[in-house]
Amino acid sequence: SQQGEEDPQALSIQEGENATMNCSYKTSINNLQWYRQNSGRGLVHLILIRSNEREKHSGRLRVTLDTSKKSSSLLITASRAADTASYFCATGWGWYTQGGKLIFGQGTELSVKP
Amino acid sequence: NAGVTQTPKFQVLKTGQSMTLQCAQDMNHEYMSWYRQDPGMGLRLIHYSVGAGITDQGEVPNGYNVSRSTTEDFPLRLLSAAPSQTSVYFCASIKPGSNEQFFGPGTRLTVL
Repeated sequence: SQQGEEDPQALSIQEGENATMNCSYKTSINNLQWYRQNSGRGLVHLILIRSNEREKHSGRLRVTLDTSKKSSSLLITASRAADTASYFCATGWGWYTQGGKLIFGQGTELSVKP
Repeated sequence: NAGVTQTPKFQVLKTGQSMTLQCAQDMNHEYMSWYRQDPGMGLRLIHYSVGAGITDQGEVPNGYNVSRSTTEDFPLRLLSAAPSQTSVYFCASIKPGSNEQFFGPGTRLTVL
């Protein structure tokens, strides 16, 4: 079963607006990541937030994590048409010894109209 | 660096055929994974490896085999293809010290 569930499934906004996507998960984690996937391409890592962090920024991206609510949000400010893509959250537990056990959500399709 | 490469990009198989999806990375990452992506399902982990000679099952391992004889290569074998294995397959390697994954471009597989 999927660990992460994302909301909304699809989001359409105008260029310049902010986009917010949410991710909820079920079990304890020690990190949560967000990835972007452009149509027909592989996923690209955007940002990682650890379970002891509440907020993290990277350029126009802002990620929050609320472990008590088992939820995270990704905010993209001042969106551009190039931000059009699918965005996935992925929850992980364990670090080095557990390697690639990330569980991905179903994704949010973001469409940014010029 | 080429990063993570996958071949082929597209493949059509008939039910019952076998094939190997190739994955290679040149970043000297010990950890590698295989995922499948289906509409509305996100990515699901098939198998992963924490180093040469060590592999383990993920969420949906049935019908797939893996081996890891070198750090660079992590092939995925379909033993007897079924229509339910029609999907896009992604290979990823993991940056040491974190769970950040680097993905290949994917293989789109259709089983008739």
